[in-house]
Amino acid sequence: SQKIEQNSEALNIQEGKTATLTCNYTNYSPAYLQWYRQDPGRGPVFLLLIRENEKEKRKERLKVTFDTTLKQSLFHITASQPADSATYLCALGMSGAGSYQLTFGKGTKLSVIP
Amino acid sequence: EAGVAQSPRYKIIEKRQSVAFWCNPISGHATLYWYQQILGQGPKLLIQFQNNGVVDDSQLPKDRFSAERLKGVDSTLKIQPAKLEDSAVYLCASSLALRHNSPLHFGNGTRLTVT
Repeated sequence: SQKIEQNSEALNIQEGKTATLTCNYTNYSPAYLQWYRQDPGRGPVFLLLIRENEKEKRKERLKVTFDTTLKQSLFHITASQPADSATYLCALGMSGAGSYQLTFGKGTKLSVIP
Repeated sequence: EAGVAQSPRYKIIEKRQSVAFWCNPISGHATLYWYQQILGQGPKLLIQFQNNGVVDDSQLPKDRFSAERLKGVDSTLKIQPAKLEDSAVYLCASSLALRHNSPLHFGNGTRLTVT
């Protein structure tokens, strides 16, 4: 069956460290992968998109990697801050007949401790 | 730009009652989505519109859920009759186009509690 697994439900790290979140998938062949941030009581907010033929993408303190052989994406936040505390969702994008679908993982709740 | 607007913000109903949610997407966004997010889970796609036509409703429980997008702009999602397991946040999202490099813009959702 198809599965998207994000490494843990919760991740606690010290301020200033690099947070690394994992997204593994099985029985999918995504054309691209997106990462979203979700704060309590709010809708997800788009952060980064990476295509299957890209190995790495960066945006400010964020970095995403995509390894289609390992079927894994890593999401890094460098120099983490308490304001980075949120739930981070990975989403796999696949094209179908005349449409494309974005399927989300459960998310990882990141807490950055001052 | 104004974001995706949803109403109501919260709704509490008894099982077997009906409920409707409204969504106004970002102006000019052709694609509109309804997602269901149960507590502790990721959003699950219910239905996807391109302008006012349905692109994908394969995960919509059609015996109780219905959705429409009038004139390719606003959309409503209805549940009739509601079950306890429908308790969730219903998120509306829109994107500029139906293609892979078009990120989704979400509203803040409607939290539904079915008692």
